Amino acid sequence: AQTVTQSQPEMSVQEAETVTLSCTYDTSESDYYLFWYKQPPSRQMILVIRQEAYKQQNATENRFSVNFQKAAKSFSLKISDSQLGDAAMYFCAYRSATRSEKLVFGKGTKLTVNP
Amino acid sequence: DAGVIQSPRHEVTEMGQEVTLRCKPISGHNSLFWYRQTMMRGLELLIYFNNNVPIDDSGMPEDRFSAKMPNASFSTLKIQPSEPRDSAVYFCASSIRTGHTDTQYFGPGTRLTVL
Repeated sequence: AQTVTQSQPEMSVQEAETVTLSCTYDTSESDYYLFWYKQPPSRQMILVIRQEAYKQQNATENRFSVNFQKAAKSFSLKISDSQLGDAAMYFCAYRSATRSEKLVFGKGTKLTVNP
Repeated sequence: DAGVIQSPRHEVTEMGQEVTLRCKPISGHNSLFWYRQTMMRGLELLIYFNNNVPIDDSGMPEDRFSAKMPNASFSTLKIQPSEPRDSAVYFCASSIRTGHTDTQYFGPGTRLTVL
């Protein structure tokens, strides 16, 4: 079974600085998708960024980018120019491309942004 | 466009009572997922449907839980009888495959408290 590990329960960053959240996963599959979701205090799950495993290029969405290392099974999220609104729980998730459509989530990282 | 709609947003009930959670997916989406979020177990899939057919119900805890999707625009998750350990946030999500990938969009969740 696939597992997702987020080793940082909590992180903090100063406003306007850059922070990187870590995620590793375990799978025997070669084709899959990886996601980062944000959950603010409102508890709404919001998609931040998505990466297809077959793509070598790292995904970017404005201030958010990932460092996808397929051989190392690592998928970190970098947030540049951090804003107060970035404060939230961040969840890394895995989805097989060939088997179940379910998302397998990590335990999450709580990000605090200090003014 | 309306997102995934869930009702109720909050539910407080007493042990032994029947609880029904409702979900309306995004129009045109053909996959629907029910997830549960607890402090102990994090986010985990309960069941998902594809074209109204249950595909993977391996996450359904026990016979007290049941889910239905009578049509493409409505799904229910029922707990009967409810127990205090069922207290959690229940999320519904929907998706549609476009090209090689799909993305799951989450509803706001239902916070269930069983006394």
